[in-house]
Amino acid sequence: DQQVKQNSPSLSVQEGRISILNCDYTNSMFDYFLWYKKYPAEGPTFLISISSIKDKNEDGRFTVFLNKSAKHLSLHIVPSQPGDSAVYFCAASDTGTASKLTFGTGTRLQVTL
Amino acid sequence: EPEVTQTPSHQVTQMGQEVILRCVPISNHLYFYWYRQILGQKVEFLVSFYNNEISEKSEIFDDQFSVERPDGSNFTLKIRSTKLEDSAMYFCASSPLHRDPRETQYFGPGTRLLVL
Repeated sequence: DQQVKQNSPSLSVQEGRISILNCDYTNSMFDYFLWYKKYPAEGPTFLISISSIKDKNEDGRFTVFLNKSAKHLSLHIVPSQPGDSAVYFCAASDTGTASKLTFGTGTRLQVTL
Repeated sequence: EPEVTQTPSHQVTQMGQEVILRCVPISNHLYFYWYRQILGQKVEFLVSFYNNEISEKSEIFDDQFSVERPDGSNFTLKIRSTKLEDSAMYFCASSPLHRDPRETQYFGPGTRLLVL
């Protein structure tokens, strides 16, 4: 059941550059999308979210873009910092299952000096 | 800053034994969740809980699993007879409001369960 897919298991970016993490989904009932960041031995930490009525949401260095027609969203981190090195999960919820989050497999971001 | 706490951080048990994983959600939150992550796989939803009853559960959450809010602060996940495939990191989460875009689910640090 791959309703939320993150096709890149890892990404390496230089400090100061832009990190772009991608996520695709198949369930057209998804109406709310979230990005979580996870460090080893910790739980996922909420980063930023977007409702399906929007195509962009920005919070400081983090921006999420949603392309509903392509069923694709992306997280942009500008500028990338070494502390951003973590696993990033895309998650979604739909109108039919209001409280359940469906997660992607995650992308490990490494920000190098 | 308030946070979700979970105990124990690690639990090792024998196959067939019962385990209880404990969570203390953020105090003013109303919705509670359990998720799990098998090593190398994605985080999977198990169950959500509101107003002292299950509001939603996944196919994973079969009769071997149960949840309870025994008092005003704790939220527990019980696995009645553990199987090897129950080995995973179990995350508790809580949220203050339901499907409000301004809010989200706050996760605890997890309990790593190993079934031998």
